[in-house]
Amino acid sequence: DSGVTQTPKHLITATGQRVTLRCSPRSGDLSVYWYQQSLDQGLQFLIQYYNGEERAKGNILERFSAQQFPDLHSELNLSSLELGDSALYFCASSVGVFMATDTQYFGPGTRLTVL
Amino acid sequence: ELKVEQNPLFLSMQEGKNYTIYCNYSTTSDRLYWYRQDPGKSLESLFVLLSNGAVKQEGRLMASLDTKARLSTLHITAAVHDLSATYFCAVDIGSQGNLIFGKGTKLSVKP
Repeated sequence: DSGVTQTPKHLITATGQRVTLRCSPRSGDLSVYWYQQSLDQGLQFLIQYYNGEERAKGNILERFSAQQFPDLHSELNLSSLELGDSALYFCASSVGVFMATDTQYFGPGTRLTVL
Repeated sequence: ELKVEQNPLFLSMQEGKNYTIYCNYSTTSDRLYWYRQDPGKSLESLFVLLSNGAVKQEGRLMASLDTKARLSTLHITAAVHDLSATYFCAVDIGSQGNLIFGKGTKLSVKP
C-alpha cells in the first residue's frame, strides 16, 4: 500500500458524460501527478500539481481538467467522454517539487469504462 | 519529442535463468526510474537511478544507467516465478517529475 488513495475504484459511464476522479496523496506529499494508462497509448503523464498550483502539463486533452485543493487532495475532471477515454487513471504523489531523490508513489487507480 | 523504448516487450523465462531488459531514451536525462506492475495492480517503485554509472540492486534485480549511451538495463538473476510482472522504465524530463514511460516489458517466469 503506497499511501495514495483514489476513488472510485471503478467507474462506468456513457459517452458525452462527465466524471470526477479523486486522489488523496500520501501524508506530507505536496505534489500530485495524474497519468492515464491504456492499451494503445501506454502510460501517459497528464498533469502535475504542487501545493495547489499547476506545475506541468503533459498529453492532457482540453476536455480534461484537474485541480488540487488546499487540503492537497486532487480531482481530475473528464468531460464529453468518448469511447477512447476508457482507461486506467493513476494518481501519484511525491514529497516536493520532485527533487532528485524523490520517488513517485502511485495510487491503486480508477478504471474508467465509457460505453 | 522524448521517446523511451524498452525491449523486449514480452519475455518468457524459465526459473533459474538470467536475462536483461533494455531501456533506451532519446534525449538527455539524468533521472531514470524502474517500476513494477502486477496484473490489475498499481505501479511499485523499484529503482531510482540518478547519475551516469549508477547501479542499484535489490534481490534478484539489478539496474544500471549509462547516461552517455542513454541506456538503462534491468538485469534479472536466477529468475523465480514471483518476478512475473510488467516492468516499466521511465525518464524524467525537465527534472519536474513528468515521467515518460516505456511501453513496458511483460515478464513471465515459468517453472
